[in-house]
Amino acid sequence: ILNVEQSPQSLHVQEGDSTNFTCSFPSSNFYALHWYRWETAKSPEALFVMTLNGDEKKKGRISATLNTKEGYSYLYIKGSQPEDSATYLCASRNSGGYQKVTFGTGTKLQVIP
Amino acid sequence: KAGVTQTPRYLIKTRGQQVTLSCSPISGHRSVSWYQQTPGQGLQFLFEYFSETQRNKGNFPGRFSGRQFSNSRSEMNVSTLELGDSALYLCASSLEGASTMGYTFGSGTRLTVV
Repeated sequence: ILNVEQSPQSLHVQEGDSTNFTCSFPSSNFYALHWYRWETAKSPEALFVMTLNGDEKKKGRISATLNTKEGYSYLYIKGSQPEDSATYLCASRNSGGYQKVTFGTGTKLQVIP
Repeated sequence: KAGVTQTPRYLIKTRGQQVTLSCSPISGHRSVSWYQQTPGQGLQFLFEYFSETQRNKGNFPGRFSGRQFSNSRSEMNVSTLELGDSALYLCASSLEGASTMGYTFGSGTRLTVV
């Protein structure tokens, strides 16, 4: 993996369903993995920043896991609600002399009432 | 505390003109990063400033430049505008380059080049 990739690109779920999506990132020179939620007409909002292999973070019904050895992170939403409708972005920060944060193209989630 | 403030919110410019966008980070944040978002593309990294110094730069042509002032406010300049520069430009503020807390984003400047 050379870039940050997210899948699926978009998905529709029924209210009450649980869902998850994937972020793949370069595992070499890894430093941190960010998740953001970006609602329409608003600014991206930080959900989680994870740095350690095996890290798990939780915020209400949303949780995330991190595997730095294989270069992937999962975001889970339990019991989706219409207000969860947003684009979920992940971003990887590398270590080393030229650190930068690289974003994926996002997963657009629509929760149908 | 006040959030990240970007001005202006919307801008329409003609090809060949230049434009300056402004970003005031959260008080106490010393790092400001700029991103460009176009339809179908993820956020593309432009540059990062920390304590008035450009720390990182993305793969954009030299027409894109920026600076940061002693109060951490940052400006981004695009000269000789092209149609393809039409995009949402987001500014992201952080204490120390988004290492542990993530970014706080501004609302963005929507630039349209005609």
